[in-house]
Amino acid sequence: QKEVEQDPGPLSVPEGAIVSLNCTYSNSAFQYFMWYRQYSRKGPELLMYTYSSGNKEDGRFTAQVDKSSKYISLFIRDSQPSDSATYLCAMRFGSETSGSRLTFGEGTQLTVNP
Amino acid sequence: ETGVTQTPRHLVMGMTNKKSLKCEQHLGHNAMYWYKQSAKKPLELMFVYNFKEQTENNSVPSRFSPECPNSSHLFLHLHTLQPEDSALYLCASSRGLAGGNTQYFGPGTRLTVL
Repeated sequence: QKEVEQDPGPLSVPEGAIVSLNCTYSNSAFQYFMWYRQYSRKGPELLMYTYSSGNKEDGRFTAQVDKSSKYISLFIRDSQPSDSATYLCAMRFGSETSGSRLTFGEGTQLTVNP
Repeated sequence: ETGVTQTPRHLVMGMTNKKSLKCEQHLGHNAMYWYKQSAKKPLELMFVYNFKEQTENNSVPSRFSPECPNSSHLFLHLHTLQPEDSALYLCASSRGLAGGNTQYFGPGTRLTVL
């Protein structure tokens, strides 16, 4: 069983739609949760970062973490063609002694059609 | 140059060649990472360096040899590679190793092994 499960898609939506991207995980020790966006032929860039359970909003993006269900989500409101990319969830333990390893999901390929 | 840079961006090599990938970070960070990104698979952590010292080797075959001469530069020396080593190799850096430190990625080197 993978530590982090993410539906690879592809996901195709019309411009203006609300997009929901999700990951589930199995290790309850994860404390930091991230979403990275990766455009074609580019490296991943950090989009959202949350610590433990709760919601975090940044413009059109909202990240949710539900540690009791081991489930994280990224919502994109009013999606734009420029949001077309692969979205990677990632998570890690908290302390330096437990290692700096980021555990990634497979990534979801999103296309927003004009 | 800003952020994390990687050279070359593309590399084609035969199985008997020796080549090196270079990464440089301009962020004043202390930790640097090598990741492998293959199609349809999550990013895989290969090596971690902190203050020039290797802290993690994720069971990487010896045909991959990392070198970190200082906190700003990281190399990945390649020799006798296999076709299955063809992938996008990503370098990342962070201020430290603890969970709250964000990892910033370079654009990657697309490696093809013939």
